[in-house]
Amino acid sequence: ETGVTQSPTHLIKTRGQQVTLRCSSQSGHNTVSWYQQALGQGPQFIFQYYREEENGRGNFPPRFSGLQFPNYSSELNVNALELDDSALYLCASSLPDTDTQYFGPGTRLTVL
Amino acid sequence: GESVGLHLPTLSVQEGDNSIINCAYSNSASDYFIWYKQESGKGPQFIIDIRSNMDKRQGQRVTVLLNKTVKHLSLQIAATQPGDSAVYFCAEIHTGNQFYFGTGTSLTVIP
Repeated sequence: ETGVTQSPTHLIKTRGQQVTLRCSSQSGHNTVSWYQQALGQGPQFIFQYYREEENGRGNFPPRFSGLQFPNYSSELNVNALELDDSALYLCASSLPDTDTQYFGPGTRLTVL
Repeated sequence: GESVGLHLPTLSVQEGDNSIINCAYSNSASDYFIWYKQESGKGPQFIIDIRSNMDKRQGQRVTVLLNKTVKHLSLQIAATQPGDSAVYFCAEIHTGNQFYFGTGTSLTVIP
């Protein structure tokens, strides 16, 4: 167990809708990253938050946005969902001044 | 651009044998690497890490080797067990703590 939890476990949306995914990190983990993992692929970096500010972004459009809260929880928001957004969304957190990231179990998003 | 790739997408080994999973990376500036194990329906689980100032690091039943000359990383699992069956990813860490994952190797342990 990594102490990182995500909700919901599964989610089904239709194209054009908006979705919010949630992550709760361990206490003291002030960095959180979000990843998209398509079936049969490795996780792809979406963005990272550090002390509630975006601290790096991968090759994802602006309709992917996030928030990090003082209580070590965070959100991933995706607007105008597309079919290709169907994937496992993972969050990972890490302690200050460390590089090792600990992953949650993920949220499986299906866009119909 | 950077890429992190794996030499073999699948690997089958007999229970008790040793397993070797390989990974190639292209960014010579990367200074930190992690191996993750991902079981079906779960998030990646940290196995072992290595920094670029090291060539080898050992854990419990696992060893990671880093060859910076050819930009190659390997994970060795000793006495492979059925519980080791999973997909294994190497992750390359760039400045800013951004992780780049390879496609993964699916390891199947045959009892």
